[in-house]
Amino acid sequence: GENVEQHPSTLSVQEGDSAVIKCTYSDSASNYFPWYKQELGKRPQLIIDIRSNVGEKKDQRIAVTLNKTAKHFSLHITETQPEDSAVYFCAASRDNAGNMLTFGGGTRLMVKP
Amino acid sequence: GAVVSQHPSRVICKSGTSVKIECRSLDFQATTMFWYRQFPKQSLMLMATSNEGSKATYEQGVEKDKFLINHASLTLSTLTVTSAHPEDSSFYICSARGLDQRSPLHFGNGTRLTVT
Repeated sequence: GENVEQHPSTLSVQEGDSAVIKCTYSDSASNYFPWYKQELGKRPQLIIDIRSNVGEKKDQRIAVTLNKTAKHFSLHITETQPEDSAVYFCAASRDNAGNMLTFGGGTRLMVKP
Repeated sequence: GAVVSQHPSRVICKSGTSVKIECRSLDFQATTMFWYRQFPKQSLMLMATSNEGSKATYEQGVEKDKFLINHASLTLSTLTVTSAHPEDSSFYICSARGLDQRSPLHFGNGTRLTVT
């Protein structure tokens, strides 16, 4: 089955700096890669996703890049703000609809004011 | 936007009892819902896929007789933890998507189960 590795497990940055979180996956048939933000005790919220026919996608301060050959994808957050502090999860699915997600281990991002 | 309601948000039960968790899609119909388990500071692990009108599909290592799933309508799936033990204590989250398979997954707020 699919295995998704996520790094780093914790990340501390100064407000205004950029944050990068990286994930690798094992199943070359995976073609849908969402990123979720989860605040303590709350539901995961989809923040951005990318499908395998696209190499990069951007939404304001958030961008995701995908390298299908190397089987890795990354989340980039620019101009970080304290409210960006949360746990971020990457996920992968071979189902283009995004069912049967396999999640990475999560990254706790702390943005220091 | 689409809302998934999960109830209860917290439950404490005694060892040996059963607990039912409900997952409702409030403003959309969902033929498929998913149940996850999340241990503290860990990732979400898919437990099972709940299909309306048919049996749930369980992931490897998840006991279907312990975690009973019922998806009786297009807006409600229930997870029953039977004969709960302290090691079942965890955060359980459901997710659902609309009938359009390209619509995004929407997560419930989760249920924190504590078994004493």
